[in-house]
Amino acid sequence: EPEVTQTPSHQVTQMGQEVILRCVPISNHLYFYWYRQILGQKVEFLVSFYNNEISEKSEIFDDQFSVERPDGSNFTLKIRSTKLEDSAMYFCASSAGLGSAFFGQGTRLTVV
Amino acid sequence: AQTVTQSQPEMSVQEAETVTLSCTYDTSESDYYLFWYKQPPSRQMILVIRQEAYKQQNATENRFSVNFQKAAKSFSLKISDSQLGDAAMYFCAYRTTLSGANSKLTFGKGITLSVRP
Repeated sequence: EPEVTQTPSHQVTQMGQEVILRCVPISNHLYFYWYRQILGQKVEFLVSFYNNEISEKSEIFDDQFSVERPDGSNFTLKIRSTKLEDSAMYFCASSAGLGSAFFGQGTRLTVV
Repeated sequence: AQTVTQSQPEMSVQEAETVTLSCTYDTSESDYYLFWYKQPPSRQMILVIRQEAYKQQNATENRFSVNFQKAAKSFSLKISDSQLGDAAMYFCAYRTTLSGANSKLTFGKGITLSVRP
């Protein structure tokens, strides 16, 4: 069964460092998303991406964040200068269109 | 803006019994999707069930079914014959159809379900 895969599963980084979280969406999906979940809190939307451009972004997705689809399979989230409050679980999701979005297993980011 | 409310932070059920998890939402739209996602301790988000607002029939997936009350803006999840593996956090989510196929999910705060053996 096709699935969304994310790497790494856990990343520890020092405050101020850049991190890149990677995702491989389901192959025939066209719509891609990043969400984050701070421990114990609800899942929050960060950004949606379609046709090689951002479709929508939340107020959380400021200038420190960027997304890219560098090739036909990967979808990345970059945080340029991490802050302590960026520590969270980051989920990539993809969908074929309207309807269900399928999530990866998440990357746990810890900023120290 | 749409909001999703899960007012019960925790629930508990005896193994093999039935439990219902509540969710309400607020929207002015007439067409949308509603979802339940399961998040086990591994923290992966797993799609449990989906309901299209234009469908009057309640969705079912094996032991999981929903009670969709559009006028009341209520979307509850019923788990029958509860199993130990059902223990997880459950999130209700809303997705509009208006902004197109790339519209985002709006989640509730989630409910922690424990299953007693």
